[in-house]
Amino acid sequence: KNEVEQSPQNLTAQEGEFITINCSYSVGISALHWLQQHPGGGIVSLFMLSSGKKKHGRLIATINIQEKHSSLHITASHPRDSAVYICAVESNSGYALNFGKGTSLLVTP
Amino acid sequence: DAGVIQSPRHEVTEMGQEVTLRCKPISGHDYLFWYRQTMMRGLELLIYFNNNVPIDDSGMPEDRFSAKMPNASFSTLKIQPSEPRDSAVYFCASSRQGAYGYTFGSGTRLTVV
Repeated sequence: KNEVEQSPQNLTAQEGEFITINCSYSVGISALHWLQQHPGGGIVSLFMLSSGKKKHGRLIATINIQEKHSSLHITASHPRDSAVYICAVESNSGYALNFGKGTSLLVTP
Repeated sequence: DAGVIQSPRHEVTEMGQEVTLRCKPISGHDYLFWYRQTMMRGLELLIYFNNNVPIDDSGMPEDRFSAKMPNASFSTLKIQPSEPRDSAVYFCASSRQGAYGYTFGSGTRLTVV
């Protein structure tokens, strides 16, 4: 069983909709990362969280350490947000990332 | 800064051949990671270095894989001999302890035929 679980696996939304992607993990962590990968493209780091909430433009990431859960929200979604969003954790026992399987998001005009 | 630079971007090779992937991390970053991405397994850690020293190579599939970091600005991942199941995208990433996040390279798409 993967230590990092994401849901949903696939998500289709209409432009302008509010989007939520969820991530649950089963190990103690020092930080959680949200990453974005466009089709055929590289991986971009969106957020690194160890507590609370962070906001960057239309993206918001939250984490609840007690519940071992994080969410990534996209407000006023746009077709250019179409990508795979990956949750990854740094465990307390190591510095490398352990990844979820990703959520494939398609935003239609 | 040009970011993390990986070469080549694409590599097609025949089974049994040696393959060498290269990575130049961001200057000043003290951690370097090699990850592999496949459709079936997603992203997985192969090995990571801290200050040029390998820290965790538990993700290296078998003896056919080896990685080196001879200095702070260069790392290689070698596969010898290559097999079709090694076909994947290989990402290099670097980070600096205490600083925000990771920076990933553009990846090397390896196809072994």
